[in-house]
Amino acid sequence: NAGVTQTPKFQVLKTGQSMTLQCAQDMNHNSMYWYRQDPGMGLRLIYYSASEGTTDKGEVPNGYNVSRLNKREFSLRLESAAPSQTSVYFCASSSPGQGANQPQHFGDGTRLSIL
Amino acid sequence: QKEVEQDPGPLSVPEGAIVSLNCTYSNSAFQYFMWYRQYSRKGPELLMYTYSSGNKEDGRFTAQVDKSSKYISLFIRDSQPSDSATYLCAMSRGTNDYKLSFGAGTTVTVRA
Repeated sequence: NAGVTQTPKFQVLKTGQSMTLQCAQDMNHNSMYWYRQDPGMGLRLIYYSASEGTTDKGEVPNGYNVSRLNKREFSLRLESAAPSQTSVYFCASSSPGQGANQPQHFGDGTRLSIL
Repeated sequence: QKEVEQDPGPLSVPEGAIVSLNCTYSNSAFQYFMWYRQYSRKGPELLMYTYSSGNKEDGRFTAQVDKSSKYISLFIRDSQPSDSATYLCAMSRGTNDYKLSFGAGTTVTVRA
């Protein structure tokens, strides 16, 4: 069971470079999310997509863009990377609503360093 | 002030001890409360889920929610080295709002 797959797993960028983080889920979930995780800050929501064709800003959207390519795929783009964007990025997916049988499923993260 | 506060620890206990973790929150609109477990270099996975106030038990794990005090807890009984992980609390407002607010996470080490 693949679940949520993120690529790449690691990346080092120089300030000002751009890159796209890829995420795909095979659980037929409607909702997908991008988080960043920093020491002492927990997981902070960057963008989310409630369903195919919709995206909304989360808590920390500045410097990022997203694309919900289809129901399976949700990408995160850094147009001009900054050292403050050094972080671990997690993609997650879920079915609509809340419940023990509808948790957010996370990928294993992309570790991004910006020099 | 953060919406969800969680002591980051770290917490180190001997095998067999009871681990006690907690979070406080400021938003009274939160109704759904979760605990996620995150192993090193992995993504979080849902461990426990509770709706509104009350207790929920699942094996060695017990989750408690006290909405009047805006305080939630997770207890791990008979802790094992395999319980060594970071535990994150998370909460949300309702069935139509699936955005989660996370605590910073508490790192737990269970010593054999």
